[in-house]
Amino acid sequence: QVQLVESGGGVVQPGESLRLSCAASGFTFSNYGMHWVRQAPGKGLEWVAFIRYDGSSTYYADSVKGRYTISRDNSKNTLYLQLNSLRPEDTAVYYCAKGKTTTDYWGQGTLVTVSS
Amino acid sequence: DIQMTQSPSSLSASVGDRVIISCRASQSISTYLNWYQQKPGKAPKLLIYAASSLQSGVPSRFSSSGSGTDFTLTISSLQPEDFATYYCQQSYSTPYSFGQGTKLEIK
Repeated sequence: QVQLVESGGGVVQPGESLRLSCAASGFTFSNYGMHWVRQAPGKGLEWVAFIRYDGSSTYYADSVKGRYTISRDNSKNTLYLQLNSLRPEDTAVYYCAKGKTTTDYWGQGTLVTVSS
Repeated sequence: DIQMTQSPSSLSASVGDRVIISCRASQSISTYLNWYQQKPGKAPKLLIYAASSLQSGVPSRFSSSGSGTDFTLTISSLQPEDFATYYCQQSYSTPYSFGQGTKLEIK
């Protein structure tokens, strides 16, 4: 069965960095594009970034462009999100999700809290 | 960027009711429209993809229609487990924006 397990969240101060990971299993990871989506406490869903199945192209929301980097290691079936120059407004649960135009599986999320 | 607008933002209904949620895109997205259900503390669950295709395992009381800019999600007969927040999302072009959500509450 498809499983996506995020990790790497935590509490950091403004300006610091974090790297999130999403371990994938139960499907051929290298065949699928992958997304990161976040949800601030009590708020709606916000699309963050997408990477093509082979890592050849990446796309970002304007709110994170230049600060976040999405990447993948198909040999390890793992998706990453590097978060730099974190701001309080980046506080959210971060989900990874499988698929390009149809995201049919989501992880359980990892919480990132940015606070001084 | 494409803006997605859902209506209503919240809705009170009773078990057995028929409910319709609307989603409008700021420009044509063909049928690149997904619907998700989210319950508190849980990840979103895909209900409908490509505007009208029911995801495997989703009950047939859920249906959706539309193309271009206007879409609707219909729940034909509300069940207790359907009380949740519903989001539409366009996957036509990046950024793959979501609607603001519709919270469906028990009357």
